[in-house]
Amino acid sequence: AQSVTQPDIHITVSEGASLELRCNYSYGATPYLFWYVQSPGQGLQLLLKYFSGDTLVQGIKGFEAEFKRSQSSFNLRKPSVHWSDAAEYFCAVGERSGFQKLVFGTGTRLLVSP
Amino acid sequence: DTAVSQTPKYLVTQMGNDKSIKCEQNLGHDTMYWYKQDSKKFLKIMFSYNNKELIINETVPNRFSPKSPDKAHLNLHINSLELGDSAVYFCASSQSQGVTPVNGYTFGSGTRLTVV
Repeated sequence: AQSVTQPDIHITVSEGASLELRCNYSYGATPYLFWYVQSPGQGLQLLLKYFSGDTLVQGIKGFEAEFKRSQSSFNLRKPSVHWSDAAEYFCAVGERSGFQKLVFGTGTRLLVSP
Repeated sequence: DTAVSQTPKYLVTQMGNDKSIKCEQNLGHDTMYWYKQDSKKFLKIMFSYNNKELIINETVPNRFSPKSPDKAHLNLHINSLELGDSAVYFCASSQSQGVTPVNGYTFGSGTRLTVV
C-alpha cells in the first residue's frame, strides 16, 4: 500500500542549529514530493517540491530537501533554524498519473529552544 | 486577495445539526479538494472535483456531500453532525488536469468545526 512516513513526531532544535526532518515514502514509482509547513491556527504553506531533475531542491525560508531514490526519502533541511520556524511540517506525495491527490505523512512538530 | 478562501473559519454546532462550509479559489485552477485534519494533525483527503466533476471520493460517510457549482467553488455540506466530525477541514486547489502540478496545491486557512 502507498504510504508516507515521518518517523519523528516531535523534534526540538536550538535556535541557530541545523535541522533535518525525515520523510520516507512507499510508492510503486517515484511520486511528486512536497513539504508543507503549518503554523499554529494556519493553513498549509508549500515550502518546496520535487518533480524531476536535480535531486537537491531549494525552497522558501531557507529550506532545502534532497530526494534519494535508493532510500525512498525526501528529507527536509535547514542550516540554521530561527524561532519563527517552530511549526508542524508535513511531507506529502502525489501520483504522477491520473488525477493526482496529495497523501500526507503524519507530520513532525518542530520546537525551537532559545 | 486570498487565493483559496473558506468560510466560516470557526463553526460550533450541536450534534444532529446540518452545516455547510464554503470554499472559493481565484487561481484559475481546475481541481479542488476537501481534506480533514483530525485532532492528531493527520490530514486525509475526502473529496476531489475536477471541472465540477467528482473524481475522488474516499471512504466518507454519506452525511458528507460536496457540491461544486463551478470550478472555482467547492462546498461541503454535512448532515446530522456527530461528535466525531469535529476537526479542521481544509479546502485546496491545484491545476491537475493530467499535468504536473508545478505550483503544488494551494490550501485555504481551514474551518475548525466543533460539534458539541
